[in-house]
Amino acid sequence: NAGVTQTPKFQVLKTGQSMTLQCAQDMNHEYMSWYRQDPGMGLRLIHYSVGAGITDQGEVPNGYNVSRSTTEDFPLRLLSAAPSQTSVYFCASRRGGQGKKKTEAFFGQGTRLTVV
Amino acid sequence: TQLLEQSPQFLSIQEGENLTVYCNSSSVFSSLQWYRQEPGEGPVLLVTVVTGGEVKKLKRLTFQFGDARKDSSLHITAAQPGDTGLYLCSQAGNMLTFGGGTRLMVKP
Repeated sequence: NAGVTQTPKFQVLKTGQSMTLQCAQDMNHEYMSWYRQDPGMGLRLIHYSVGAGITDQGEVPNGYNVSRSTTEDFPLRLLSAAPSQTSVYFCASRRGGQGKKKTEAFFGQGTRLTVV
Repeated sequence: TQLLEQSPQFLSIQEGENLTVYCNSSSVFSSLQWYRQEPGEGPVLLVTVVTGGEVKKLKRLTFQFGDARKDSSLHITAAQPGDTGLYLCSQAGNMLTFGGGTRLMVKP
């Protein structure tokens, strides 16, 4: 059982380049989220989705786009990379429904992104 | 968005010592979760608390949810080097958001 899979694990971009971080889960979870984690800090929510076709902004959405065409996949797009987007990015999934306030979030291994 | 404040931000202790970390909010939590994150990994769920005044124990870890459901604490007894990591509290609704975390280092 793979859980949540993120690719790539590491990426170096030049300022202004665009790229897509991939996230896939095989647990049939309704809810998926993207976070960034800066050195020594907690997780800040970028975008989230409560189901296929539904996305919404989190705490720090600027410079990022998402889409959710299937339950399994939730890619994160950097439109024009900036050094301020250097961070570790985590994708998470969890069950939704009436238990959404109590369900466990499962995280991927993270993508370490450096923008030069 | 409900802001979660965690304290202390950093804690460095010797093996065998006890410690407590805190998570506070100005708003009432409907539920609260604690996660632990080890270096190079994603966070992993430790516990979920739902009822005001609830106490849960996980081996040497004791989690308490405040009576008013606006605060929570995590107490570790006789800390071990394996407890080293980042401890995060979170609250979940449609969004799952996290506090800034407490980074714990337990030295042998």
